[in-house]
Amino acid sequence: QSALTQPRSVSGSPGQSVTISCIGTSSDVGGYNYVSWYQQHPGKAPKFMIYDVSKRPSGVPDRFSGSKSGNTASLTISGLQAEDEADYYCCSYAGSLSVVFGGGTKLTVL
Amino acid sequence: EVQLVESGGGLVQPGGSLRLSCAASGFSFSGHWMIWVRQAPGKGLEWVANIKEDGSQKYYVDSVKGRFTISRDNAKNSLYLEMSSLRAEDTALYYCARDYSWLQADYWGQGTPVTVSS
Repeated sequence: QSALTQPRSVSGSPGQSVTISCIGTSSDVGGYNYVSWYQQHPGKAPKFMIYDVSKRPSGVPDRFSGSKSGNTASLTISGLQAEDEADYYCCSYAGSLSVVFGGGTKLTVL
Repeated sequence: EVQLVESGGGLVQPGGSLRLSCAASGFSFSGHWMIWVRQAPGKGLEWVANIKEDGSQKYYVDSVKGRFTISRDNAKNSLYLEMSSLRAEDTALYYCARDYSWLQADYWGQGTPVTVSS
């Protein structure tokens, strides 16, 4: 049950695109198509942004997209906006009815 | 509107016990797996436990096995986390969350803080 690996921080200017990686193993990210992403603003609860690797819940802007290649999942945010500045966490099903989170990535909008 | 409201957190001494509750409303509680996730101060999210719709299956992260018990009362639309033998490293904000599918959580409460300290 080791945490997934995410960069500690990423940054981008308004209007640009950024990609956050999430590196796991064949026992979690690589083994299942149940990767989700959460956005967390300071002092707030996490918000459900992506599920099943690349699906967006209702109400999430299409600027947010998810993908996966092998043991690495990615979240791409295009057309960056100031309100996108937050912490982002990936999460993967890891078998045996368990999940594992990434360590989190702080996104700074310059 | 889906709402999850946690309660029961507080300050407890090492080795002590605490029972967290999560009151659910706005959806069919008995139709969803439920999850507890915690976040230590300044740290990331950590899955703690989850429970099947009817309470018949329960799963825990290794670090809490044998010390924490997840349960639910579908008649009261409530989720619980019984915590015992608490350690300093259990200090965190504890969130309850609703499972959308395969432990992907679509709704979260605001969390209840637990501090383990002498």
